[in-house]
Amino acid sequence: KQEVTQIPAALSVPEGENLVLNCSFTDSAIYNLQWFRQDPGKGLTSLLLIQSSQREQTSGRLNASLDKSSGRSTLYIAASQPGDSATYLCAVNRSGGSYIPTFGRGTSLIVHP
Amino acid sequence: SQTIHQWPATLVQPVGSPLSLECTVEGTSNPNLYWYRQAAGRGLQLLFYSIGIDQISSEVPQNLSASRPQDRQFILSSKKLLLSDSGFYLCAWSRGDLEQFFGPGTRLTVL
Repeated sequence: KQEVTQIPAALSVPEGENLVLNCSFTDSAIYNLQWFRQDPGKGLTSLLLIQSSQREQTSGRLNASLDKSSGRSTLYIAASQPGDSATYLCAVNRSGGSYIPTFGRGTSLIVHP
Repeated sequence: SQTIHQWPATLVQPVGSPLSLECTVEGTSNPNLYWYRQAAGRGLQLLFYSIGIDQISSEVPQNLSASRPQDRQFILSSKKLLLSDSGFYLCAWSRGDLEQFFGPGTRLTVL
C-alpha cells in the first residue's frame, strides 16, 4: 500500500527565503505526482504535475523535482512571499490503471513579512 | 476551459436529517469524479470515485452514498446525518493523465 509522507508538517519563515518542501512515497511504481496548494477554507489548487518519466517541472517561482528511485519529490519555492502562506499537499498516482491518488497530510507554510 | 462547481458552499444540518451535495464539471467530457472529506486536523479522505456513469466505487463504508445522474454531475447523499459527518467536502475531477482539479468545497456542520 502506497504511503505518502510530507516533512515538515509546519514551517514558518521570513519573507524572501528560498524554501524546500519534501514529499516521500513508499512505492516507486508511480504514474505521476501532483503538488497542490490549499488556502484555509478553500479547495485545492493544482500547482505542478510531474509525470513518472520527468525529473522536474517549473512554474514561475515554483520548481518540483521527482526522484522515483529514492521515492522523493521536492517543491522548491524561490523568494517566498506572504501570499505563499498556505498548506501544500502532494499526491501520488500509482501506475497500473488505478484512479485513486494517495495524498500526504501536507505542509502548513507561513511566510511572515 | 474547465470549471468545477459545488453547492451549497456551507450547510448546517441537524443530526438525522438528509443530505444532498452537488458537484458539476463544465468544459470536459467523461471525467473521473471524486468525493473527498477533510475533517479538522485530519488528512484528505477519499469517499467515492467514478470513472463513468453507473461506475461508482466506495472507499469507506459509512452512511453516505454517491450517484452520477449525468456525465458531469456527481451527487453525495445521506439519508440520516451523524455528528461525525461534519467536515469539509471536496469534489474533484481528473482527465486522462490523472491530473486532478478540485472544486471550492462545501463546509458541512451537523448539530
